Amino acid sequence: EVQLLQSGAEVKKPGTAVKISCKVSGSKFNTYINWIQQAPGKGLEWMGLVDPEDGEAEYAEKFLDRVTITADTSTDTAYLELSGLKSEDTAVYYCALEIFGSGSIVTNWFDPWGQGTLVTVSS
Amino acid sequence: DIQMTQSPSSLSASLGDSVTITCRASQDIRTFLNWYQQKPGKPPNLLIYDASTLQSGVPSRFSGGGSGAHFTLSISSLQPEDFATYYCQQSHSTPRTFGQGTKLEI
Repeated sequence: EVQLLQSGAEVKKPGTAVKISCKVSGSKFNTYINWIQQAPGKGLEWMGLVDPEDGEAEYAEKFLDRVTITADTSTDTAYLELSGLKSEDTAVYYCALEIFGSGSIVTNWFDPWGQGTLVTVSS
Repeated sequence: DIQMTQSPSSLSASLGDSVTITCRASQDIRTFLNWYQQKPGKPPNLLIYDASTLQSGVPSRFSGGGSGAHFTLSISSLQPEDFATYYCQQSHSTPRTFGQGTKLEI
């Protein structure tokens, strides 16, 4: 069974940075890892992804100047680093594995998801 | 960016009812459309991928349809555990975008 285990909750001050980890077990670490933000009482917002095979990352424009997503193939762990924290960054952050199908049209979906990491930004 | 619009944003229903949630994409995404269920304090859980393929272990009362830019998630004979928030998501291109969610309430 594939599982994604995220690091624990964080409390940070405005202007600082946070780095969250997501360890993949039960699967080869060779497919995209995505990161999704969910502010309290709000919906899901995609932040970006990393391809562990080559380390290439893509980011949502909203987070482009503050986010770094990396992957360490030696430990099968992906990381999300968010800098310049603001109160609006208080949220649960999820990682999710991106699975690709095998049909004539190769579609893709997120499964499974990590349990989530709550980041609280407060002075 | 591809915008995903769900309707309704909230829905009241009773046990045993059937409901349908709609998701529209701002452009043709073929069948690159997935549905997730989220319960309070839990991560989203994949229900349907490729617009209409039921994820293993998901009850058959859930069904998905559509292609192009118009999609539906239908739930028949609502059970207590179905009351949750549902999200559509396009995986056609980056940024991967989600609908705003539909909260299904009793």
